[in-house]
Order: sequence, then structure tokens, then C-alpha cells
Amino acid sequence: DSGVTQTPKHLITATGQRVTLRCSPRSGDLSVYWYQQSLDQGLQFLIQYYNGEERAKGNILERFSAQQFPDLHSELNLSSLELGDSALYFCASSFPGTSGGRKTGELFFGEGSRLTVL
Amino acid sequence: KNEVEQSPQNLTAQEGEFITINCSYSVGISALHWLQQHPGGGIVSLFMLSSGKKKHGRLIATINIQEKHSSLHITASHPRDSAVYICAGMNYGGSQGNLIFGKGTKLSVKP
Repeated sequence: DSGVTQTPKHLITATGQRVTLRCSPRSGDLSVYWYQQSLDQGLQFLIQYYNGEERAKGNILERFSAQQFPDLHSELNLSSLELGDSALYFCASSFPGTSGGRKTGELFFGEGSRLTVL
Repeated sequence: KNEVEQSPQNLTAQEGEFITINCSYSVGISALHWLQQHPGGGIVSLFMLSSGKKKHGRLIATINIQEKHSSLHITASHPRDSAVYICAGMNYGGSQGNLIFGKGTKLSVKP
């Protein structure tokens, strides 16, 4: 168990719809990263939040958005869904610096949310 | 051409064999992650390294920054090592999770 929780585990929806994926990071981790894993593109970095602020953007579509709340959980919102958005969406968390044995850069991944768009 | 290339794409080994998976990258990176993804889909971070060599149990990871190459070795392979192994480069000036991923190497270890 990585300590990172993602919900829902599976989601089936129709084209044009909007969904929200949720990620709770490990206790004390300030950074949350979102990734998309599709059959044709593999894993891609989407976006990072650090302590509530957007820190870095990757290949995230304009139809997608994310936020991180004061309790550090994060949500990824996917709207106007298309068939090609069907994928596994992972979040990961990390702790900056070293404290109490945690190492800088160590990433902990959630189990992923499998989105199917029909 | 991908910025991070892995070889081989698929690998089948007999239990007990020594396994090597290679990762080459064409972009400047400050560190490289090796990840393991099991058939159920979950991803585990195995190593993050920026120089030299790291060892954890039967797993060894090496990196040569000048040659832009990293290897993951598994000694005395076991069927439970069957998984997809992914290398991912961390951009200079980027954060830990801002990664460029390889396509993965699917390893199957037969008993």
C-alpha cells in the first residue's frame, strides 16, 4: 500500500460528459502529480500541484483541469470527453526535502482510475 | 523518435536468470526513475538515481549521465518479477514527478 488513494477505481461514461477523479496523497506529502496512461501514448505527465498551487504543466489538454485543496487532496476534472480520453489516470505524491527518513524525489503512486468513454 | 527509449520491449526469461533492461535518453535530465507496473496496473517506484549505482535486494540500477544511459538488472529472477518496467527521466529544473517516460519493457519470468 503506497498510502496514495485514488477514487473511483473504474468509471464508464459517454462522450461529451464530464468526470472528476480524486486523489488523496500520502500523509504529509505536499506535491501531487497527475499522469495519463493510454495504450497508444504510454504514460504522460499531465500536471503538478504543490501545497495548493499549480507548479508544472505537461501534456494536459485544455478540456482537463485540476486543483489541490487545503487538505492537500487533488481533483482532476475531465470535460467534453472523447473516446480517446479512455485511459488509466494515475496520481502520485512526493515530499520535498528529507525529513524523518523520507527521501527527496521518492514518488508514491496510487492504484489508478480506469476511465472508459463510450 | 521517443526522447526516452527502452530495450528490449519484451523479455522472457527462465527463473534464476540474470536480466538486464536498458534505457537511453536523448534529452538532458537531472535524474532517472525506474518504475515497476504489475499486471493489475499499480505502479511502484523502484529507484531514483542521478549518478552511479543503487541496489535494493536483487535489483540493481546504474546510470551514466555522460552516455545518457541507464540499466536495470535483476539477479536470480523469479516469476514474481514479471511486470512492466518503465524508465522515466526527470527534466532539468523540473520537479520530481515531471517525467518523460519510456514505453516500458514487459518482463515475463517462467518457472
